[in-house]
Amino acid sequence: SQQGEEDPQALSIQEGENATMNCSYKTSINNLQWYRQNSGRGLVHLILIRSNEREKHSGRLRVTLDTSKKSSSLLITASRAADTASYFCATDAVDDKIIFGKGTRLHILP
Amino acid sequence: DAGVTQSPTHLIKTRGQHVTLRCSPISGHKSVSWYQQVLGQGPQFIFQYYEKEERGRGNFPDRFSARQFPNYSSELNVNALLLGDSALYLCASSLNRGEWYTFGSGTRLTVV
Repeated sequence: SQQGEEDPQALSIQEGENATMNCSYKTSINNLQWYRQNSGRGLVHLILIRSNEREKHSGRLRVTLDTSKKSSSLLITASRAADTASYFCATDAVDDKIIFGKGTRLHILP
Repeated sequence: DAGVTQSPTHLIKTRGQHVTLRCSPISGHKSVSWYQQVLGQGPQFIFQYYEKEERGRGNFPDRFSARQFPNYSSELNVNALLLGDSALYLCASSLNRGEWYTFGSGTRLTVV
């Protein structure tokens, strides 16, 4: 399979709690991106982190990248019901292939 | 500005037939990529085109082909359809290589 790995596969948390998702990949990358997908339709870009960056913030999102371990994490703080979705990491590899992980299904409980 | 548009939205084909899926990128975006997503899985990379040239190809058989036109729109062609080709096909565009992607809503292909 050409896909990366994400964990956990599924995550249920209470509204207001923080959610952390992890992503591991195999190749050398130019950047790593996180996307959200609702109801199996188009993906929405959340954040992009370049290979020379270690941490990036956007609103309630915090992404880290460790190229030595080939891993990344996405933290969503103060979760809301609207955050319920599937989250995917995607690596933009140096060989021009874009590799998505299998995704984490996040469910925010009221 | 219109987003990435894909057509058709839904399609039913018979095994052995041929299908053409179309994608119009955001105006000014030069890079287009195609993905196949089966239920419960992440998108699988099929092709990336930049400035009308193929820049990357995923692990798909030669039945899958694509092209990018001078106006940067793109077509994905699949020959000799198999039942396993049933999936959501997603197109995405970006301004340049190495930038984040804007996705279309996809074409749902069902092969019967």
